[in-house]
Amino acid sequence: QKEVEQDPGPLSVPEGAIVSLNCTYSNSAFQYFMWYRQYSRKGPELLMYTYSSGNKEDGRFTAQVDKSSKYISLFIRDSQPSDSATYLCAMSASPQSGSEKLVFGKGTKLTVNP
Amino acid sequence: SAVISQKPSRDICQRGTSLTIQCQVDSQVTMMFWYRQQPGQSLTLIATANQGSEATYESGFVIDKFPISRPNLTFSTLTVSNMSPEDSSIYLCSASGSGQPQHFGDGTRLSIL
Repeated sequence: QKEVEQDPGPLSVPEGAIVSLNCTYSNSAFQYFMWYRQYSRKGPELLMYTYSSGNKEDGRFTAQVDKSSKYISLFIRDSQPSDSATYLCAMSASPQSGSEKLVFGKGTKLTVNP
Repeated sequence: SAVISQKPSRDICQRGTSLTIQCQVDSQVTMMFWYRQQPGQSLTLIATANQGSEATYESGFVIDKFPISRPNLTFSTLTVSNMSPEDSSIYLCSASGSGQPQHFGDGTRLSIL
């Protein structure tokens, strides 16, 4: 079993839809959870990062962590064509906010159609 | 957040040759890392670049194949040695300040003929 599992998609939604992206993991030592957005031919861009269980909201984006289920989610409200990208979840067991080894999912490719 | 620049952005190389990739950060950072991103695979950590000492390599990656330097707090290089077609990949540099999450450069797209 891989440490982090993420459905690669592709996922195609109409503009304005609510998008739900998910990852599961097996290592209970993970403490920091991140979502990166990667546009074609660009590097991963940090979107959200959270510590332990709970919700974090930033504009149209909400990150959720459920450590008891080893499950994390990213919700995108009112999705826009500019949200079309690959979304990577990443996790770290580091005690310092993910500043050490990150373990990534394979990424989910999202297309938002106008 | 720090701005991370990588050079070259892409290259096409002959098998058996070596290529050095440079990573420059616009501010002093605590940690620098090198990752590999292969098609259909997860981003995978190659090594942590330690300032003033030998890099720390992950399982499956060795210093002879991927020598790394980090002479100061803003610069690191990764060399891909004796390249074969299996080394065709995107190589990414990341950096983080103390207690901060990692930020990435745009990567180096490497093709081996």
